[in-house]
Amino acid sequence: QSALTQPASVSGSPGQSITISCTGTSNDVGYYEYVSWYQQHPGKAPKLLIYDVNNRPSGVSHRFSGSKSGNTASLTISGLQAEDEADFYCSSYTTRSAWVFGGGTKLTVL
Amino acid sequence: QVQLQESGPGRVKPSQTLSLTCTVSGASIRNRDYYWSWIRQPPGKGLEWIGYIYDTGNTYYNPSLKSRVNLSMDTSKNQFSLNLNSVTAADSAVYYCARVKLVEVPSWFDTWGQGTLVTVSS
Repeated sequence: QSALTQPASVSGSPGQSITISCTGTSNDVGYYEYVSWYQQHPGKAPKLLIYDVNNRPSGVSHRFSGSKSGNTASLTISGLQAEDEADFYCSSYTTRSAWVFGGGTKLTVL
Repeated sequence: QVQLQESGPGRVKPSQTLSLTCTVSGASIRNRDYYWSWIRQPPGKGLEWIGYIYDTGNTYYNPSLKSRVNLSMDTSKNQFSLNLNSVTAADSAVYYCARVKLVEVPSWFDTWGQGTLVTVSS
């Protein structure tokens, strides 16, 4: 199974908005509404940020939002803050009863 | 509050078996609303799903690792375990255990352990 495709890096200035894309196939992102996003700070475990494409767990800022169109999911972070700087991973369940992750995107807050 | 904690050797010799245990507190691994999974991350690289286990021991594995992986559960200790045999340097990674929320299918990883670094080296 191939990893989902994410840009290696994105950047933005404080207060700006950025979007990270996550492209899969009709067997994963395009099939299920079970795309999730994770934020990972250096040396830390990943943390659930978005589930079911566009739902936030309790405690996650409203500045984080998700969407999906066809085989591509997106994570948008609005009002960038310095503490948002981290690695972000998308993930999807697949028709082969397996999970696949994106390669990860490093967010730099300028 | 649900917590997961990985434990096991930090170093394994090539060709041997990597064995890790995840101890769950604050929730029962017998809860049928959740599956239990292992994920790894080589240094400086991305996440790779290894497999998950649920119910009384049903499993699904990453096809790329399936021939070398075995997951098991010990409900009396509220633990689940990973065995990865015939390891090479490419298996060096931080290994995470995680809880998977089950909706119609296993849907998202809602709780993660802190991770444990395993190095394959003689």
